[in-house]
This record gives sequence, C-alpha cells and structure tokens, in this order.
Amino acid sequence: DVKVTQSSRYLVKRTGEKVFLECVQDMDHENMFWYRQDPGLGLRLIYFSYDVKMKEKGDIPEGYSVSREKKERFSLILESASTNQTSMYLCASSSPKTGRYRAGELFFGEGSRLTVL
Amino acid sequence: LAKTTQPISMDSYEGQEVNITCSHNNIATNDYITWYQQFPSQGPRFIIQGYKTKVTNEVASLFIPADRKSSTLSLPRVSLSDTAVYYCLVGDRAGANNLFFGTGTRLTVIP
Repeated sequence: DVKVTQSSRYLVKRTGEKVFLECVQDMDHENMFWYRQDPGLGLRLIYFSYDVKMKEKGDIPEGYSVSREKKERFSLILESASTNQTSMYLCASSSPKTGRYRAGELFFGEGSRLTVL
Repeated sequence: LAKTTQPISMDSYEGQEVNITCSHNNIATNDYITWYQQFPSQGPRFIIQGYKTKVTNEVASLFIPADRKSSTLSLPRVSLSDTAVYYCLVGDRAGANNLFFGTGTRLTVIP
C-alpha cells in the first residue's frame, strides 16, 4: 500500500515562530502536494512539486515556502507563523505514470493540525 | 481549471441508497471524474473514477451521462460508517495540480 507519512499530527506554535511540516512518501511518486483544509473552504492547494528541487505555487502560496531535496520528502515551511495559518495541513503524492495508477489519483497523509497562538 | 459544484450536505437513513450529484460544466475532453471520501481527522481517500457511462466497484457506482457535464456517485445501502465528506473532482493524467476539491458534500447517515 502507498503510505504518505506526515511528521506531526498536532502542533502548537506561537506567532512569529518558524514551522516545518514534513511529509514522506514511500511509493517513488514524482508529484507531491501540500493542501490546507479549513471549515467551509474545503481543500486548497498551497504548493506542489513535480520533481526534486522543483516547486510550483498553488492557489494560496502566500506565507509559505517548500523544499524538495529528495524525491520522497516534501517539506512545508512557515517562515513566521501567524494565527491565520491555524489549519489542518494535508500532504499528498501522485504519479503521472499511466497503467499502475489512476489518472491524477492522490494519496493523502493523515494530516497535521497546526494551531498558532 | 475544471471546477465542480456539489450539494453542501445530505442526510440519509441507514440501509438507504444515497446519490450525490456533481456538476462540472466545463469538463475537458481529457478529464476523468474522481470521487474521494474523507473521514474526520483523516486525509481524503480515493473511492471511484470514471470517464463516461457507468463504473462500479465494491464500494460505489459512478454514473456519467453522455455530455459528461455532471456525474452521480451512488452508495448502496449506506451504514453509519459511511458518514463522511465526499468530494467530486475532474482532472487529467498529466498531474493532479489542476484538481479542484471544493467543499465537498457532507453525508450524515442516521440510525
């Protein structure tokens, strides 16, 4: 089974702190994604990456950065956390290859619930 | 970016069949239709995917009319454990960055 592991299920940070959210996938997927989920707003794409050292902005990249130094790991960074970044953060991976995986099928981690005080 | 429209919420009694319809008027030729299920405090997980007509698996059926501007997820004989949020997405094989999740449909199954 595909496994996407997020480093922390729950985090509490203070305003202005630097926050790292780590995500690791074990299926050699090329694509990795970071979403945030808020009540009434659904899932919104923050950043995504199609390859090592590549990154693309999603719909709401402001206040975030990402790092992908290895294929299996995609990190989300909040340089200076703010209270409006309190949210559930979801990491996902997928493969563009046809055949084994369904078109655009995403595999999600369990999520990291971040609270910024 | 093919966006979708779904009802915000639905209630159903246990044992009933539930049909959730999704509208995707600007679906592209290469787009597939995919449904995800999300339980509280978990990430979404794949349920079913189709391109046209009907697809059935052990969990659900997906009905897609000829014009592909809408689709209907059908859950047979729901149980309490089917209470979840269901998302309808459209996208192609090139990648998943163009998948728009929206707010989904919150299904509540009542005893």
